[in-house]
Amino acid sequence: QKEVEQNSGPLSVPEGAIASLNCTYSDRGSQSFFWYRQYSGKSPELIMFIYSNGDKEDGRFTAQLNKASQYVSLLIRDSQPSDSATYLCAVSQGAQKLVFGQGTRLTINP
Amino acid sequence: EAGVVQSPRYKIIEKKQPVAFWCNPISGHNTLYWYLQNLGQGPELLIRYENEEAVDDSQLPKDRFSAERLKGVDSTLKIQPAELGDSAVYLCASSLTGTSGRTDTQYFGPGTRLTVL
Repeated sequence: QKEVEQNSGPLSVPEGAIASLNCTYSDRGSQSFFWYRQYSGKSPELIMFIYSNGDKEDGRFTAQLNKASQYVSLLIRDSQPSDSATYLCAVSQGAQKLVFGQGTRLTINP
Repeated sequence: EAGVVQSPRYKIIEKKQPVAFWCNPISGHNTLYWYLQNLGQGPELLIRYENEEAVDDSQLPKDRFSAERLKGVDSTLKIQPAELGDSAVYLCASSLTGTSGRTDTQYFGPGTRLTVL
């Protein structure tokens, strides 16, 4: 079992719809969770992080964390073509170490 | 504020040749990371420095890879000799490690795309 698992996609969503990206992790001791966006040929850039169970909203993005189910998700509302990218889930493993999933490729169709 | 700087951006070498990558972290960031990213995969940690000390190098293939972070600022990652399988993007990241006990946000540089022929 991989430490951090994501559906590699591609996930295709119509413009204006909600995109839902999911991530599961194996280490019950993980405390910090991050979502990064990576455009083709570019480096990962932080979208948001979440530490506590529940939802955290930032503009069109909402991160959801359920530690009991070892599940974290990212919702993108009102999806735009500029949201087309690979989304990486990263989960802490001990102090200052992040383990990344393989990423989900998201395509927003105009 | 300047971001993480890496050079070169691209490097093409023949197998068995040496290669070196340089990273300058965000000013004031005490923790520096080197990652390797293969196509279609997420970044994989090679080594983590806190100031000058390499605190996690368990994933660094020490027979051919070496790294240093002199004076706790810039860092260099070296491969000698390079193999065909080393073709990948090498990412440097930095963070400001606090005392909260939580994992701090890592900020990535643009990466170096290595091609070994």
